[in-house]
Amino acid sequence: AQSVTQPDARVTVSEGASLQLRCKYSYSGTPYLFWYVQYPRQGLQLLLKYYSGDPVVQGVNGFEAEFIKSNSSFHLRKASVHWSDSAVYFCAVSANYGNEKITFGAGTKLTIKP
Amino acid sequence: EAAVTQSPRNKVTVTGGNVTLSCRQTNSHNYMYWYRQDTGHGLRLIHYSYGAGNLQIGDVPDGYKATRTTQEDFFLLLELASPSQTSLYFCASSPLGYEQYFGPGTRLTVL
Repeated sequence: AQSVTQPDARVTVSEGASLQLRCKYSYSGTPYLFWYVQYPRQGLQLLLKYYSGDPVVQGVNGFEAEFIKSNSSFHLRKASVHWSDSAVYFCAVSANYGNEKITFGAGTKLTIKP
Repeated sequence: EAAVTQSPRNKVTVTGGNVTLSCRQTNSHNYMYWYRQDTGHGLRLIHYSYGAGNLQIGDVPDGYKATRTTQEDFFLLLELASPSQTSLYFCASSPLGYEQYFGPGTRLTVL
């Protein structure tokens, strides 16, 4: 069975500062990994995904994430945050065969200070 | 981009009441999912389907039924609603079962 841990329930950073949101997964094989973002009163939107190849994947709005297999991690990064990045971010993992399900972490609520 | 719509957007019912949540997707995706979202738990999978007439049990199915009537439509049924089912419900669709596209959610309150 797969699982995801997002150790930080809330993160606050100043506008213009860099950001890292942490994600650790548990899965015995090679996973498919995702980051989703949820803005207030909206559904989840896919931010980026990793299936294979280059372990650093680029997403929308300047976000990127790095798959580190030895550490079972898939942390999300952004070089300079904007107030509009305030949202809840979910990391998710799936098996890389037709298992049809993805497992979500509990989410990290990001607040940007002006 | 996949279009997933949900209705109603908000619903209030009483304990023991009957509730049906509706989801429609218009991109001909094979897979459709129902999740509930509660603070501290992220999203938890209730039921899912990989085609019309198919139903698969998710991780938290107790108290819920679901039915996939067409490629586009997936319904979640609460036949005897309880206060523990007060939650934010999301529907999602996926072409292959990996990346998923979400609807806007339905907020259900059971009094």
